[in-house]
Amino acid sequence: NAGVTQTPKFRILKIGQSMTLQCTQDMNHNYMYWYRQDPGMGLKLIYYSVGAGITDKGEVPNGYNVSRSTTEDFPLRLELAAPSQTSVYFCASSPQGAKGYTFGSGTRLTVV
Amino acid sequence: QKEVEQNSGPLSVPEGAIASLNCTYSDRVSQSFFWYRQYSGKSPELIMSIYSNGDKEDGRFTAQLNKASQYVSLLIRDSQPSDSATYLCAVIGGGATNKLIFGTGTLLAVQP
Repeated sequence: NAGVTQTPKFRILKIGQSMTLQCTQDMNHNYMYWYRQDPGMGLKLIYYSVGAGITDKGEVPNGYNVSRSTTEDFPLRLELAAPSQTSVYFCASSPQGAKGYTFGSGTRLTVV
Repeated sequence: QKEVEQNSGPLSVPEGAIASLNCTYSDRVSQSFFWYRQYSGKSPELIMSIYSNGDKEDGRFTAQLNKASQYVSLLIRDSQPSDSATYLCAVIGGGATNKLIFGTGTLLAVQP
């Protein structure tokens, strides 16, 4: 099984550009999450989804959007990129219940 | 007060020693607790989960939970240089969404 797959692994964006970070899981997990990780700041929740068609904001949603049209896919959209969005982005999924997450390999994004 | 607190370290231990990593959390209703290991430039990897008071052992790893004191710890016996990584404590917050709240992590350095 591939688990959680994120693309791209690296990306450099110019200020004001937009992009979509892709996330796909093949474990039939209902729950999916997007986190960002800044140096020394830990992981901050951006958006999450408890099933297809259902999304909700996390701790730091401003400047981002998500959709969940299928169980497998949970893309994260950045509109009008800003230097403050320079970070490492992790997608994760989990089964229902109090279970730990499986993380993707991450996307390292730099906005210049 | 941060929801999940960890000492950022670095915690330096000699090879073969016991490494003790600590974490406190603020939400008394939390029921599920996790330890993740994160190597530099990699994604977090789940190594332990614990749900009830007491100790849980898995190989060289022991997780300890004290809900009355709102304290979680991870012991690594016979520490190896390959254990050198950042260890993230995570707690499931309230509600049914399975959202994990992460500490900022403790950097462990095992000296050969």
